[in-house]
Amino acid sequence: NAGVTQTPKFRILKIGQSMTLQCAQDMNHNYMYWYRQDPGMGLKLIYYSVGAGITDKGEVPNGYNVSRSTTEDFPLRLELAAPSQTSVYFCASSYSGINQPQHFGDGTRLSIL
Amino acid sequence: DAKTTQPNSMESNEEEPVHLPCNHSTISGTDYIHWYRQLPSQGPEYVIHGLTSNVNNRMASLAIAEDRKSSTLILHRATLRDAAVYYCILRDSSSYDKVIFGPGTSLSVIP
Repeated sequence: NAGVTQTPKFRILKIGQSMTLQCAQDMNHNYMYWYRQDPGMGLKLIYYSVGAGITDKGEVPNGYNVSRSTTEDFPLRLELAAPSQTSVYFCASSYSGINQPQHFGDGTRLSIL
Repeated sequence: DAKTTQPNSMESNEEEPVHLPCNHSTISGTDYIHWYRQLPSQGPEYVIHGLTSNVNNRMASLAIAEDRKSSTLILHRATLRDAAVYYCILRDSSSYDKVIFGPGTSLSVIP
């Protein structure tokens, strides 16, 4: 059982480039989340989704976009990458909302130079 | 927004019990208390959660104060693998974007 799979694991971007961080889960979870974690800090919620076709902003959505066309996949797109977006990005999923544990991927370490 | 306060760091000897405290004095009646931990270079891992009553699972125990303004995660016998950052967070039923991870408590386990 793979759980939550994130690709790529590492990436270096130049300022102004765009990229998509991939997230897939095989647990048939309805809820999916994207977080970023800056060095020495806790996680901040970027976007979340409660089901296919439904997404909503979290605490720090600026500079990012998401889509949820299937239950399994929840890609995060960075448009016009900026140095402030250098971070570790974690995707998570849960069966439902607040009373269910979140399962996290291993993260994507992104550097923007 | 209800937030949590945790010590920045704690130490424990291997095979000793560990009590990790968390204060959440502004908790609302609908907030669930969740604990996660994060090993180095990994994503957070769910540990335990509760609403009002104490909870036990194979990983840990969660003791919730009667007024719910504080809670304690209890690791019964610390192992080296338990060295991690432990996050106490509140999950609000009214809004999913109020999941706030603070800096957590960095637990060191001494052999």
